[in-house]
Amino acid sequence: AQSVTQPDIHITVSEGASLELRCNYSYGATPYLFWYVQSPGQGLQLLLKYFSGDTLVQGIKGFEAEFKRSQSSFNLRKPSVHWSDAAEYFCAVGATSSFSGGYNKLIFGAGTRLAVHP
Amino acid sequence: GAVVSQHPSRVICKSGTSVKIECRSLDFQATTMFWYRQFPKKSLMLMATSNEGSKATYEQGVEKDKFLINHASLTLSTLTVTSAHPEDSSFYICSPLPSSGGRVNEQFFGPGTRLTVL
Repeated sequence: AQSVTQPDIHITVSEGASLELRCNYSYGATPYLFWYVQSPGQGLQLLLKYFSGDTLVQGIKGFEAEFKRSQSSFNLRKPSVHWSDAAEYFCAVGATSSFSGGYNKLIFGAGTRLAVHP
Repeated sequence: GAVVSQHPSRVICKSGTSVKIECRSLDFQATTMFWYRQFPKKSLMLMATSNEGSKATYEQGVEKDKFLINHASLTLSTLTVTSAHPEDSSFYICSPLPSSGGRVNEQFFGPGTRLTVL
């Protein structure tokens, strides 16, 4: 069965420090992988996605993620965190849903809450 | 960008009453709609998938008679929580899939509805 694990429930970093949020997935085929950010009162916003090709994916807001098949990982990184990055981050894998014509239904990890110290 | 609205954003109701949550895609059409539920400090769990004009398909463990989904048009879907009980208190999020998208298109998410059942 498909699953996503985000080992870190809560991470605190200082503003300007680098960030890495971990994500491991379990999926039988080539996965479609996503990172979303959720801020209070706002819907989930897509940061980046991996479907195929270059394993290093660039996203919005200075985020990037690297797909490592051998490790079943898709970790999110940012070289310098800003206070506005404090939010909940979700990793997700797209699983085939035959009902929706083969499109992905998303399976989410439990999320990592990021706090940023000034 | 794609805009998704949900109404209401917050609702408090008495046990035994029914609550309807609306989800609208404001600038695109969505053949497929996903409804998620998010428990406090937990991940998003897919409840059901609906295609416009068809009955919804519910995930295992989700009561279809309690969570009624109507996807009557390409821009509107509703989730009705019938005879709500305190355990139904949660954050409900809709996610319409643009009709023009292919198999790997991006899902967009509504801002969510916080339901509290007293």
